[in-house]
Amino acid sequence: DVKVTQSSRYLVKRTGEKVFLECVQDMDHENMFWYRQDPGLGLRLIYFSYDVKMKEKGDIPEGYSVSREKKERFSLILESASTNQTSMYLCASSFGLSNEKLFFGSGTQLSVL
Amino acid sequence: QKEVEQDPGPLSVPEGAIVSLNCTYSNSAFQYFMWYRQYSRKGPELLMYTYSSGNKEDGRFTAQVDKSSKYISLFIRDSQPSDSATYLCAMSPSGANSKLTFGKGITLSVRP
Repeated sequence: DVKVTQSSRYLVKRTGEKVFLECVQDMDHENMFWYRQDPGLGLRLIYFSYDVKMKEKGDIPEGYSVSREKKERFSLILESASTNQTSMYLCASSFGLSNEKLFFGSGTQLSVL
Repeated sequence: QKEVEQDPGPLSVPEGAIVSLNCTYSNSAFQYFMWYRQYSRKGPELLMYTYSSGNKEDGRFTAQVDKSSKYISLFIRDSQPSDSATYLCAMSPSGANSKLTFGKGITLSVRP
């Protein structure tokens, strides 16, 4: 089975801190994604990557950056955390050119105080 | 009009009921239609996948796509308490590396 592992299940940070969310997948998938999920707003795409060292902006990239130095690892970075970035963050991966079948991690619930 | 609209719910039904979950969309370019299921404190997982119009059945689940009406449905027969979850519809156009557009999800509770 494909496994997408997110490093933390719960995270509490202070406003202004730099925050790193890590995601690792074990099935050699080319594509990786970061979403945030908020009540009433659903899943929103932050950034995605189709290859190592590649990154593309999703629908809400402001306040975030990403890093993909290795194929299996995709990191989401909050340069200066703000309270409106309190959310559930979900990492996903997919294989090949079609992204219909996404494999998600269990999520990181981030609270910014 | 949002690209994908999904009934907000929540929805509560007795065990054994037939459940109908629906989404409408506005983008005619959508060709792939998916339903994801998300249990509490877990990430979504792909439940059903359909290309273009028609029906697809998998056990107690049937996915239906009507492209002329821009309407998709997920039917659950003989619903079970283990079906209690949030269900998200998702769609994408054809073409390499097309992005998915998700509905906001509906939370279903099946009462024993």
